[in-house]
Amino acid sequence: EAGVTQFPSHSVIEKGQTVTLRCDPISGHDNLYWYRRVMGKEIKFLLHFVKESKQDESGMPNNRFLAERTGGTYSTLKVQPAELEDSGVYFCASSQRGRGQSTDTQYFGPGTRLTVL
Amino acid sequence: GDSVTQMEGPVTLSEEAFLTINCTYTATGYPSLFWYVQYPGEGLQLLLKATKADDKGSNKGFEATYRKETTSFHLEKGSVQVSDSAVYFCALRDNDMRFGAGTRLTVKP
Repeated sequence: EAGVTQFPSHSVIEKGQTVTLRCDPISGHDNLYWYRRVMGKEIKFLLHFVKESKQDESGMPNNRFLAERTGGTYSTLKVQPAELEDSGVYFCASSQRGRGQSTDTQYFGPGTRLTVL
Repeated sequence: GDSVTQMEGPVTLSEEAFLTINCTYTATGYPSLFWYVQYPGEGLQLLLKATKADDKGSNKGFEATYRKETTSFHLEKGSVQVSDSAVYFCALRDNDMRFGAGTRLTVKP
């Protein structure tokens, strides 16, 4: 069974440009999460989808970030326009059961390393 | 709110040394506790987990025991190998997932 995949693995863009990150969850997982790790700090929650619906987007830093999950399969996270402080590693994770189920295990993708110059 | 504090790194050990990476947590509920590992060039992988007090998670020679009285979930391994070099993240999940800052371990031959 394929794990969570993310594309691209690395992205280097200039300040003011747009970048779109993609995440393909494990097949059959309704729950999809985005996280970010900035400058070697802790991994922070961004948002959570259940199928195609945004269950919680309280961790999204600002309105330059837009996440979608059309059809409840893969998800995209767009940053427009990108700023220097957006640099970091963006992780995607998926799970079967979801939030509120504390025993649920999230499976993570390899991450996308974003560098904004 | 819920939070995780883990031992700052980096940690450098010689092969076959004993490893402890400390992790403590603050939570209002009854969270599950996890250790994730990120090997160079790879994503986060679940290493082990424990879902209730006194549970011990174990995998690949690593162990961690859920200690409610000390709110801790320290990661241990009796004899590390070069291949254990990675970044280790302690995490909890009550409603949301909360991670520690990560501890980089380097094992030298």
